[in-house]
Amino acid sequence: GAGVSQSPRYKVAKRGQDVALRCDPISGHVSLFWYQQALGQGPEFLTYFQNEAQLDKSGLPSDRFFAERPEGSVSTLKIQRTQQEDSAVYLCASSSQGYKVEKLFFGSGTQLSVL
Amino acid sequence: SQQGEEDPQALSIQEGENATMNCSYKTSINNLQWYRQNSGRGLVHLILIRSNEREKHSGRLRVTLDTSKKSSSLLITASRAADTASYFCATDHSNAGGTSYGKLTFGQGTILTVHP
Repeated sequence: GAGVSQSPRYKVAKRGQDVALRCDPISGHVSLFWYQQALGQGPEFLTYFQNEAQLDKSGLPSDRFFAERPEGSVSTLKIQRTQQEDSAVYLCASSSQGYKVEKLFFGSGTQLSVL
Repeated sequence: SQQGEEDPQALSIQEGENATMNCSYKTSINNLQWYRQNSGRGLVHLILIRSNEREKHSGRLRVTLDTSKKSSSLLITASRAADTASYFCATDHSNAGGTSYGKLTFGQGTILTVHP
């Protein structure tokens, strides 16, 4: 596809359930970012990959959050033992640049609701 | 926590009027970017201004940067109903071995409503 694709678009989970969110970046894009956006707020950085290497995971809120990009293309954000405060939109973004990134292309996000 | 603060939080104008949104930040930056988000959608990159630039234009958009005041403004001229969206400023102050890598810190956004 031409853009960043995220699936599922919506996810409802019961508290304590594990979830996996998928991101397909634009083909050939080197950099991939995950952001969390709470209702009415701006996105907050979670983690960054350059190819398959996770170079910055300083924004992951707890050890329940885990991200991977094993082949340097598709990425998965996994949340274990979900809690209500995890409810948010999870956005993925990619860039063709590795360093001096000056433009991110965002997907439409996965809206996670934890009941 | 978010570094940027934007004002106003909401702005309501008539078609044809200009819209100005402001953004402030706290620490030195590599660049500052503005993004637009329509309801329920992802963000779309609008314009970037580097730390050594003071003003940039792109179509109906004009962005200014004052690094001494750590502030930026986005002006949308001759607004249209289709400009209705949330607008976010985002600062890049990432550093990996002396090189930025695009990690952005977003403000809380300005909700712009343009009435036909």
